[in-house]
Amino acid sequence: QVQLVQSGAEVRKPGSSVKVSCKASGGTLTKFSINWLRQAPGQGLEWMGRILPIFGETNYAQKFRGRVTFSTDKSPSTVYMELSSLRSEDTAVYYCARGITSLLDAFNIWGQGTIVTVSS
Amino acid sequence: EIILTQSPGTLSLSPGERATLSCRASQSVSGSYLAWYQQKPGQAPRLLIYGASTRASGIPVRFSGSGSGTDFTLTISRLEPEDSAVYYCQHYDKSPYTFGQGTKLQIK
Repeated sequence: QVQLVQSGAEVRKPGSSVKVSCKASGGTLTKFSINWLRQAPGQGLEWMGRILPIFGETNYAQKFRGRVTFSTDKSPSTVYMELSSLRSEDTAVYYCARGITSLLDAFNIWGQGTIVTVSS
Repeated sequence: EIILTQSPGTLSLSPGERATLSCRASQSVSGSYLAWYQQKPGQAPRLLIYGASTRASGIPVRFSGSGSGTDFTLTISRLEPEDSAVYYCQHYDKSPYTFGQGTKLQIK
């Protein structure tokens, strides 16, 4: 069974960028979408967008367009999420999650989450 | 964007009782592209139901989903102590995917 393993916690200053990785362990990313979501402290879940690694196709939520970039390595076994122009409101747990199929984005496999703290 | 409104905000029930959680969409969710998740403190969400009524792999039969269009329901029959969690609905009909604000289920 594939697992998604994310990179460790990050602390950044306002205005800087952060790049979080999501690696597939025990399986492949090629047949499925990978989505990025976040959850601010004590808040609900927010979808940031998705990438289809086999084609490199991306779809960003309007709220994050221009500030977020999804990418993959060549395998692809790892997906990256880079968020720029960070502000305090970006402090959250960031998750990658795999869709059930390449077209159905109900998320059946989740990474463990990466805490990103934005503080001066 | 589709706004999902969950009710009630908090539900407090005893073991063995039935829980009924509601999720209402601001516009019709086509294809019943509606999912339910369970999230416990400090953990990532777990997929319970997708396609409005299909149980995800490994999910006990006491979790069931129903509904279509704008009104969806998650039912948990015969509550157990480990069902204490926050439950979210999510649509994946079209971008942007959105989540409800969550229902906190407390087991007395």
